[in-house]
Amino acid sequence: GAVVSQHPSRVICKSGTSVKIECRSLDFQATTMFWYRQFPKQSLMLMATSNEGSKATYEQGVEKDKFLINHASLTLSTLTVTSAHPEDSSFYICSATGGGRSYEQYFGPGTRLTVT
Amino acid sequence: GDSVTQMEGPVTLSEEAFLTINCTYTATGYPSLFWYVQYPGEGLQLLLKATKADDKGSNKGFEATYRKETTSFHLEKGSVQVSDSAVYFCALSTQGGSEKLVFGKGTKLTVNP
Repeated sequence: GAVVSQHPSRVICKSGTSVKIECRSLDFQATTMFWYRQFPKQSLMLMATSNEGSKATYEQGVEKDKFLINHASLTLSTLTVTSAHPEDSSFYICSATGGGRSYEQYFGPGTRLTVT
Repeated sequence: GDSVTQMEGPVTLSEEAFLTINCTYTATGYPSLFWYVQYPGEGLQLLLKATKADDKGSNKGFEATYRKETTSFHLEKGSVQVSDSAVYFCALSTQGGSEKLVFGKGTKLTVNP
């Protein structure tokens, strides 16, 4: 099946710094990528949807200036958490779809962010 | 808004036991329903899906039936294996899965030998 990778798998950063998380589709072209956030014992919450070459669409309540999403190519999307604070500590998961007739979302393994 | 409620875990079973994980949903329109599985250290994988009422999704011995009258999509397996230990997520989409999946909180299943 289609493979989606994320890098890094875990990251620890200091409060006030920025962190970039990469999401790559390894064997297919991802026309749409999704970014989710998961708190402990909670469900995945969709943060934003990005289509290659266009601006991301953010869900209500998600700060677009804090969570910068770039989908510059059909195989790469990045999420940058700017000026991170401890409350941004969470598990961030991306998914991707190839568009066309296949609407299945393929998920990456997630990135554990800890802000100290 | 759309929402998914699934039974809280963790669930611990012995090998070959029967598994049921309950899932109910609230949605406008006619959603598609999904079960995803997340094995330790891996990303979510689609386990099975159903796109209309009375459809039964099945895969790897798991099955779930889309029940519109009870707004449910319970996951079942007749005989679980140790390798089924994972976290299971029920989800819905009102746009065929291409947009905005709404997830339940996940249920952790542990199967002991």
